[in-house]
Amino acid sequence: QQQVKQSPQSLIVQKGGISIINCAYENTAFDYFPWYQQFPGKGPALLIAIRPDVSEKKEGRFTISFNKSAKQFSLHIMDSQPGDSATYFCAASIPSSGSARQLTFGSGTQLTVLP
Amino acid sequence: KAGVTQTPRYLIKTRGQQVTLSCSPISGHRSVSWYQQTPGQGLQFLFEYFSETQRNKGNFPGRFSGRQFSNSRSEMNVSTLELGDSALYLCASSLAGGPETQYFGPGTRLLVL
Repeated sequence: QQQVKQSPQSLIVQKGGISIINCAYENTAFDYFPWYQQFPGKGPALLIAIRPDVSEKKEGRFTISFNKSAKQFSLHIMDSQPGDSATYFCAASIPSSGSARQLTFGSGTQLTVLP
Repeated sequence: KAGVTQTPRYLIKTRGQQVTLSCSPISGHRSVSWYQQTPGQGLQFLFEYFSETQRNKGNFPGRFSGRQFSNSRSEMNVSTLELGDSALYLCASSLAGGPETQYFGPGTRLLVL
């Protein structure tokens, strides 16, 4: 119930191409879906996030598409650049006690953008 | 504004020992969460502290414990280390616990021999 499944495990894209990473979840109690970017030797950094009342959110070259009925969401990186090469994690958050929230992460996608 | 700092950055221990990791949150942040990151299991939530109280806990054995001090700094302790505890331990701080304002530190890389 708490699992978030992410695919693909790795992705190689040419510079200027579109990178697409997909995630699926089971628990309908999840109500916040962030994406994180992690570079080697660094902690994950929040990239973009969406709530289930919205089907799409765009910030610059990054877009989240959300399909509530299918319980799936995806990250699209337009005009991918070599600097985007990193590991990307989807996550889902569920409210717990008080204002606390617990994040459940996908397994990660290692993106390589070729120059 | 300074980010989340974690010390030490690297640590080597042997099985059976115990270890304490430290996390200093961003100034003003009262919530500190700990995560374990391994190649096999990915990122897993350990626990969250808010105002010196553990507010949320993941599915880890009791060997993993933590605490938070009045200045919001947090420590995580792992007793009786096992080889499988080798991981990157990440700390994240936020204003009140919401992931919208959560920032991760660089992590402590623990190797258990």
